[in-house]
Amino acid sequence: QVNLVESGGGVVQPGTSLRLSCAASGFTFSSYGMHWVRQAPGKGLEWVAFIWYDGTNKVYEDSVKGRFTISRDNSKNTLYLQMNSLRAEDTAVYYCARNNHYDGFGYHDYWGQGTLVTVSS
Amino acid sequence: EIVLTQSPGTLSLSPGERATLSCRASQSFSSNYLAWYQQKPGQAPRLLIYGASSRATGIPDRFSGSGSGTDFTLTISRLEPEDFAVYYCQQYGSSPLTFGQGTKVEIK
Repeated sequence: QVNLVESGGGVVQPGTSLRLSCAASGFTFSSYGMHWVRQAPGKGLEWVAFIWYDGTNKVYEDSVKGRFTISRDNSKNTLYLQMNSLRAEDTAVYYCARNNHYDGFGYHDYWGQGTLVTVSS
Repeated sequence: EIVLTQSPGTLSLSPGERATLSCRASQSFSSNYLAWYQQKPGQAPRLLIYGASSRATGIPDRFSGSGSGTDFTLTISRLEPEDFAVYYCQQYGSSPLTFGQGTKVEIK
């Protein structure tokens, strides 16, 4: 069965960096695009970034563009989100989610359990 | 950016009743690329509906989606106790992908 497990969250100070990971199993990781979606405490869902199946194309939400980098290592079945210059408003649970096909935007058919990132001084 | 507005914000109903949730888009988007997700407290979202009206794998047939253009609806024909949750619509037709603010279905 499809399984997505995020890790790397924690409490960090504003202006610092953090790298999230999402370990995938139960499907052919290299055949699917992948997303990061976040949810601030008590708030709704916000899409963050998307990467094509082979990593050649990446798309970002405007508020994270230039600060966050999505990447993947298909040999390790792992998705990453490098977050730099973190701000208080980046505080959220970060979910990785599978795109329903290999390229182009699609819906999120499987989700991880999320990892909490808290940006606070 | 396509803005999705969900209504009502909260729906108070009893088990067995019918729930009708609305999602309105600020502009039309590609090919009804509209999905619905269910989220329970402390859990990740779960896909219910994609393509505006197709049920995801394992989703009971009491859940149905309809609509096109800018107006979409999620209907739960008879609420079961496990259906009380928050529901989000999402458009995945254009960047940035956007979600509605959610509708909470609570027990009356």
